[in-house]
Amino acid sequence: GDSVTQMEGPVTLSEEAFLTINCTYTATGYPSLFWYVQYPGEGLQLLLKATKADDKGSNKGFEATYRKETTSFHLEKGSVQVSDSAVYFCALSGGGSQGNLIFGKGTKLSVKP
Amino acid sequence: NAGVMQNPRHLVRRRGQEARLRCSPMKGHSHVYWYRQLPEEGLKFMVYLQKENIIDESGMPKERFSAEFPKEGPSILRIQQVVRGDSAAYFCASSPPSLPYNEQFFGPGTRLTVL
Repeated sequence: GDSVTQMEGPVTLSEEAFLTINCTYTATGYPSLFWYVQYPGEGLQLLLKATKADDKGSNKGFEATYRKETTSFHLEKGSVQVSDSAVYFCALSGGGSQGNLIFGKGTKLSVKP
Repeated sequence: NAGVMQNPRHLVRRRGQEARLRCSPMKGHSHVYWYRQLPEEGLKFMVYLQKENIIDESGMPKERFSAEFPKEGPSILRIQQVVRGDSAAYFCASSPPSLPYNEQFFGPGTRLTVL
C-alpha cells in the first residue's frame, strides 16, 4: 500500500542554519504531496503542497519539490528561526478512497538561539 | 471563517466508559476525516465521512468505535468501553468537495486519557 517515510528526528539546529528534512513515498498513481507542521499542543497546519511532478510548494521560507523520478518531497529552508521549532509531517493523498491522507511519523525540529 | 472546531479539547475517562468526540467542520466543507495520533507517532487515518454517509472506514477498529456525520450538527466519533490503549490525540479534518486532491484543514484535536 501507499506509504511515506521521513527522516527520524529529533533534529537540532542553531538559528539561521539550513534545514533539510527528507521525505520519500511509495504510491500507485499520482498522489498529491503535503507538508504539515504541528506546534506543541496544537493541531496540524498545512505548510505547503504540490499536486503534480516538478511542482514546487513554498510558504514562509520553506520549499519542497515534487520529484517523481526519486519519489521524494524533501522540505528545505535556508535559514531557520527559533519559532520554526515544531514537528513536521510529510503526507500524501490520492489513495483508494481519494479521501484519507497518509502521514510519515513526523520529524521534530528544535532550533536553538 | 471559523476553522475546524473540536470539543472537548481534553477528555478523561475510566476504563469501560464511553467517549464522545465532536467535530464541526469549516463552513462549506462537507467532508470530514478522523485521525488518531499515538504518542511519538504520526497520524493514522480512521474514517472518512460525508453528510449522512460513511465513505471509508478502513482505518477504524471493527469493535467499540463508530462515527457519524448527521445532516445537522457535528460529526461524532464514539468509543465504547474505552481501554488504556485508546489514549491518544484524535484529530478531525475537513475539506471542501473539490477533486482531484483533498487539502484538509485540521482541528486542534481532542486528547483522550483513559485511566
